Amino acid sequence: DTEVTQTPKHLVMGMTNKKSLKCEQHMGHRAMYWYKQKAKKPPELMFVYSYEKLSINESVPSRFSPECPNSSLLNLHLHALQPEDSALYLCASSQRENNSPLHFGNGTRLTVT
Amino acid sequence: GENVEQHPSTLSVQEGDSAVIKCTYSDSASNYFPWYKQELGKRPQLIIDIRSNVGEKKDQRIAVTLNKTAKHFSLHITETQPEDSAVYFCAASVVGNEKLTFGTGTRLTIIP
Repeated sequence: DTEVTQTPKHLVMGMTNKKSLKCEQHMGHRAMYWYKQKAKKPPELMFVYSYEKLSINESVPSRFSPECPNSSLLNLHLHALQPEDSALYLCASSQRENNSPLHFGNGTRLTVT
Repeated sequence: GENVEQHPSTLSVQEGDSAVIKCTYSDSASNYFPWYKQELGKRPQLIIDIRSNVGEKKDQRIAVTLNKTAKHFSLHITETQPEDSAVYFCAASVVGNEKLTFGTGTRLTIIP
């Protein structure tokens, strides 16, 4: 029943693989976010797209490549990841006005082997 | 940049008692303070938020108080129930800034 949909729910990939995480929202939100969350830690901001333009990159390694094809979709392309990149990857969206709340998706549980 | 500290890291309370979680922030320009609840294996969900023009906000058993002078805000849960067991994160941001800085989280356990 979440309004932000993420696929896949689980992903296991090798260090030489290329994969993509997908996120979709239909709430008309104009800001979309990627967060990384390790066990027992708070979500850690990776990227923010505002009106489909990348507005924040929190010095994320280039093996993570975000893409915002339109206002409803957000992708995270993964390449040559390391085992320490294993985490829960959360997508979120917000109205981008007056600090409206973040709406999180259920996340993709990523394991890098 | 903003730094948000959260205490305690773990909290156990008897069912029916109250729970209080406290956060402090460093950036005096911060003016938006949400609280998120994350149950095991699930996504963070907003439970309440407050803006700096308000000192207190209440929603049924949950309330948040804000002291801008001291730069701290607190979450109060009354009449706790087993379903309140979760990790709670406070956060802070500045209006117009998309970056939300989270606290380190509090694992709340309600003892039946």
